[in-house]
Amino acid sequence: DAMVIQNPRYQVTQFGKPVTLSCSQTLNHNVMYWYQQKSSQAPKLLFHYYDKDFNNEADTPDNFQSRRPNTSFCFLDIRSPGLGDAAMYLCATSRDWGDEQFFGPGTRLTVL
Amino acid sequence: GQQLNQSPQSMFIQEGEDVSMNCTSSSIFNTWLWYKQDPGEGPVLLIALYKAGELTSNGRLTAQFGITRKDSFLNISASIPSDVGIYFCAGQGMGSGNTGKLIFGQGTTLQVKP
Repeated sequence: DAMVIQNPRYQVTQFGKPVTLSCSQTLNHNVMYWYQQKSSQAPKLLFHYYDKDFNNEADTPDNFQSRRPNTSFCFLDIRSPGLGDAAMYLCATSRDWGDEQFFGPGTRLTVL
Repeated sequence: GQQLNQSPQSMFIQEGEDVSMNCTSSSIFNTWLWYKQDPGEGPVLLIALYKAGELTSNGRLTAQFGITRKDSFLNISASIPSDVGIYFCAGQGMGSGNTGKLIFGQGTTLQVKP
């Protein structure tokens, strides 16, 4: 089945220790998104890629970076995680900008 | 950031009851989406609506795109325990400023008593 896959599902890191979260898709969609979701809140868009074009949300901290080496994969790098970065990180894809978005299962990040 | 007004915030119902939730906005949207999120999982797309006035069903779920393009509702008929979760509405296009960006409601937490 075509799908959005996130690895790992659970990630524990130490305060200040860089961490990378991974997303892959078999949908061959052009657009990939990264969201941050904190408890009892709606997902918050961090950035998205349209193909190789990177688009950062204005309020996304510099601590968050992303890479999309090819159509299928997208990575979220958190350079120096703080306690406030503990959250669920969701990857989503859409065929084109403006099409409905399909989410992966998420990675739960814990910062000690 | 911009948000939709989603209500109710939470519901606790008896199995077999019907459920209704809605979203309203001060802006118009081209698309309304309804997602369900189980604990520890990502949101799953339930229904997508593309035209003002459109009424769409998916099994026991029915959703409508309001005529004014500023609101949408989701109904669940004959609820079952696996309906438990958080339901999010999302608007896309025009009111989102950037047409592809999703604007989410605050979510409706549904609990079903067997």
